[in-house]
Amino acid sequence: QSALTQPPSASGSPGQSVTISCTGTSSDVGGYNHVSWYQQYPGKAPKLMIYEVSERPSGVPDRFAGSKSGNTASLTVSGLQAEDEADYYCSSYAGSNNVLFGGGTKVTVL
Amino acid sequence: QVQLQESGPGLVKPSETLSLTCTVSGDSISSYYWSWIRQPPGKGLEWVAYIYHSGSTTYNPSLKSRVTMSVDTSKNQFSLRLRSVTGADTAVYYCARDSSGWNRLEYWGQGILVTVSS
Repeated sequence: QSALTQPPSASGSPGQSVTISCTGTSSDVGGYNHVSWYQQYPGKAPKLMIYEVSERPSGVPDRFAGSKSGNTASLTVSGLQAEDEADYYCSSYAGSNNVLFGGGTKVTVL
Repeated sequence: QVQLQESGPGLVKPSETLSLTCTVSGDSISSYYWSWIRQPPGKGLEWVAYIYHSGSTTYNPSLKSRVTMSVDTSKNQFSLRLRSVTGADTAVYYCARDSSGWNRLEYWGQGILVTVSS
């Protein structure tokens, strides 16, 4: 199975919102509500930001919100801050005990 | 505070076997699912495998023929073996805890770079 499709980059000014899409198929994103999002700074391990499409782990600001429509999941970062500049990866359970990641999106705060 | 730490050789020769161990502290390995994820330099993440504390394993279909995971509950560790490695297996390897078994990777190790080269 192919990786999930994400735009390579996204940007926004401080205070604005940015939305990252994650497109899969009915066999992964569209077929299950097991979509997660991870934030990764250069040289660091990823950090879980969203799980089960829209759930936030404890400690993750409510500026981060996840959603899904059909075969596409989205991560929206509202009230963009300088510290949000990072790479973001989506991930989905893909059936048959398989997990797929997206190619990653680099978010730049202008 | 749950912490994970990867350990193992940083250099492996082509055609040989990559062996890594993840030591878990602050939590019992006799719960949850435990995963390996890798990231080639400058590239994206790839899920490799996960194991339940009972020893039940699930592998990435593209790596299944070369991968083995195991768990040692007495040492609170789990391990990864990847056979017949090539340069394409050069990556930072992360271990992580999946809190649900459904792709909820909540705790991660710092990662270990493994280079495949002669």
